[in-house]
Amino acid sequence: SQKIEQNSEALNIQEGKTATLTCNYTNYSPAYLQWYRQDPGRGPVFLLLIRENEKEKRKERLKVTFDTTLKQSLFHITASQPADSATYLCALDTVQAGTALIFGKGTTLSVSS
Amino acid sequence: DVKVTQSSRYLVKRTGEKVFLECVQDMDHENMFWYRQDPGLGLRLIYFSYDVKMKEKGDIPEGYSVSREKKERFSLILESASTNQTSMYLCASRAGTFNEKLFFGSGTQLSVL
Repeated sequence: SQKIEQNSEALNIQEGKTATLTCNYTNYSPAYLQWYRQDPGRGPVFLLLIRENEKEKRKERLKVTFDTTLKQSLFHITASQPADSATYLCALDTVQAGTALIFGKGTTLSVSS
Repeated sequence: DVKVTQSSRYLVKRTGEKVFLECVQDMDHENMFWYRQDPGLGLRLIYFSYDVKMKEKGDIPEGYSVSREKKERFSLILESASTNQTSMYLCASRAGTFNEKLFFGSGTQLSVL
C-alpha cells in the first residue's frame, strides 16, 4: 500500500541544537517533496521544496535532503530556537495524486530554552 | 500579499444540518483543495478542483460535495452533517502542478453536535 510516514510524532530538543525530522514514503514516485510548518490553530505555511534530482536544498537555517533510493527526506533546523517550535509536515508531489499534495501526519517539534 | 480566506474561523452546527464552508483565493490559481485535519490522522484530501466547474474526489469524499462556479471560490458542502465530521477544515490553492507550493487558509474548526 502507499504510505508516507514521519517517523516521530514529537521531538524535543534544546535551544541551539540541530533538529532532524524524517519523512519516509513507500509506493510513491514523487517528482517533488515539500515541507510545511504549522502553528496551532493555523493553516500550514510552505517552507522548502526539493526536486527528485536534487540531493540537498538550503534556506537560512533550514536544510532538506531527498534520497529517492532510500525513499526518504530529512529536514534539518540548525541552531534551533524556541520560535521554531511547531508541527512540521512533509508532502509529496506525485503524478499519482494529480494536482494535490499528499501529506504526512507531521512531527511536532518543541525547542526548550 | 497572497491570500486564501475561509469564511468562518469557528462553526457549530447540529446533526443533520446542511453546512457550507466557503473559501476564496485572490491569486488567480487554477487549483483549489479541501483537506480535513484530525489529531493522529494528519491532513486528508476531501476534494479538489483544477478548473471552474471541474472537481475530483480525494481520499475521503463521502458525505461531502463541492462547488466551483467561479475561479476564485471553492465551496465545501456537508449535505447532512454528522458528529464524525467534527474537524478542522483547511482550504488551499496552488497555481499549477508540481514545483508550486500550496497556500492555505487559516482553517475552519467545525463542531457538529
